[in-house]
Amino acid sequence: EDQVTQSPEALRLQEGESSSLNCSYTVSGLRGLFWYRQDPGKGPEFLFTLYSAGEEKEKERLKATLTKKESFLHITAPKPEDSATYLCAVQAGDTGRRALTFGSGTRLQVQP
Amino acid sequence: DAGVTQSPTHLIKTRGQQVTLRCSPISGHKSVSWYQQVLGQGPQFIFQYYEKEERGRGNFPDRFSARQFPNYSSELNVNALLLGDSALYLCASSSIGGSEQYFGPGTRLTVT
Repeated sequence: EDQVTQSPEALRLQEGESSSLNCSYTVSGLRGLFWYRQDPGKGPEFLFTLYSAGEEKEKERLKATLTKKESFLHITAPKPEDSATYLCAVQAGDTGRRALTFGSGTRLQVQP
Repeated sequence: DAGVTQSPTHLIKTRGQQVTLRCSPISGHKSVSWYQQVLGQGPQFIFQYYEKEERGRGNFPDRFSARQFPNYSSELNVNALLLGDSALYLCASSSIGGSEQYFGPGTRLTVT
């Protein structure tokens, strides 16, 4: 069974204080690992897809990396508008299903 | 381009009633997936449809059903509502060959 564990559950940062969010996963044949951002009461917003160990993707203050067992979302010099829940999900590649298995998310609060 | 749209935005139902939720995918996307998200957790996979056929089903009871129409829009039906069905219901669309799923804003269902 595919499993995703995110840590920490919640993180409070000061504006400009860089940090990393962790996503540990077990999946039978990884097709892709996905990061989403979710604001309260809204649908998840797609950020990145990572396909193989060693891959990295960047967007503004966010950088996602992937190993064979975990992914990190690095946030550099965060701003208050980066406050949101960040979700990690995996998609198995050994079946025809395209279902995403999500972690419970990390709630990030960036204080000015 | 319009993103994924869902209707209604909010819904309040009584235990035992039935509900129908609607989703229109991004133009050109032929695959639609449904997820349930309860407060404080990540989304859980319910169904996936593409080319109007069910391609995957999560661990949900038979009270949950869905279908996809020739224009690729989709409906999720839930019968005999329980209090535990209260959640944010998310629809996601993707292209047939693509792995990224793009989410709509969700329908907030409250069962009293």
